[in-house]
Amino acid sequence: DQQVKQNSPSLSVQEGRISILNCDYTNSMFDYFLWYKKYPAEGPTFLISISSIKDKNEDGRFTVFLNKSAKHLSLHIVPSQPGDSAVYFCAASGTSGTYKYIFGTGTRLKVLA
Amino acid sequence: EAGVAQSPRYKIIEKRQSVAFWCNPISGHATLYWYQQILGQGPKLLIQFQNNGVVDDSQLPKDRFSAERLKGVDSTLKIQPAKLEDSAVYLCASSLGIGVGETQYFGPGTRLLVL
Repeated sequence: DQQVKQNSPSLSVQEGRISILNCDYTNSMFDYFLWYKKYPAEGPTFLISISSIKDKNEDGRFTVFLNKSAKHLSLHIVPSQPGDSAVYFCAASGTSGTYKYIFGTGTRLKVLA
Repeated sequence: EAGVAQSPRYKIIEKRQSVAFWCNPISGHATLYWYQQILGQGPKLLIQFQNNGVVDDSQLPKDRFSAERLKGVDSTLKIQPAKLEDSAVYLCASSLGIGVGETQYFGPGTRLLVL
């Protein structure tokens, strides 16, 4: 049972344009959400997070939007740069217990120069 | 600040053999995680330690996988005997503690191929 879903395995975007990566979840107990970026042969690197009490969090070129009623979050990258080409994982966590992360399957973003 | 260290980076073994992976977390991080990432999937938590105690091992196949963190610092993950479906990247991560907002920092992973 895939509790966190990233339905687009890949995405190509022109440099300078907006990249939008989507993530859906099924467990209403999730209250904290994160995005990680992964380059080949490296471990995932934390990018940005959002708590369920917010609907938007911004950090430079990266913005995460959360729609709790739709159980949907998205990551916007503006403007996209070739160095953003990587696999992006969304993850979700509850706010009690072990706080463990449940990861999606990832979306491979390619930013074309 | 040094990151999470893992070794070896790559390992090829025959099925039914045993293998061990090592992880050294970021200094001062009390919580350590082992994840399995199968090709095309996201990382799946196998086991979580808080200091040298197990917090969650609900997804660890305990008939063949074992892990320890004896002194509350570095950790080893062992597979014995290995199966073909164990081919994956094994990621170690650490965080300062447990709680909302505790960022997990990942090592580069060990890529295991079971033939």
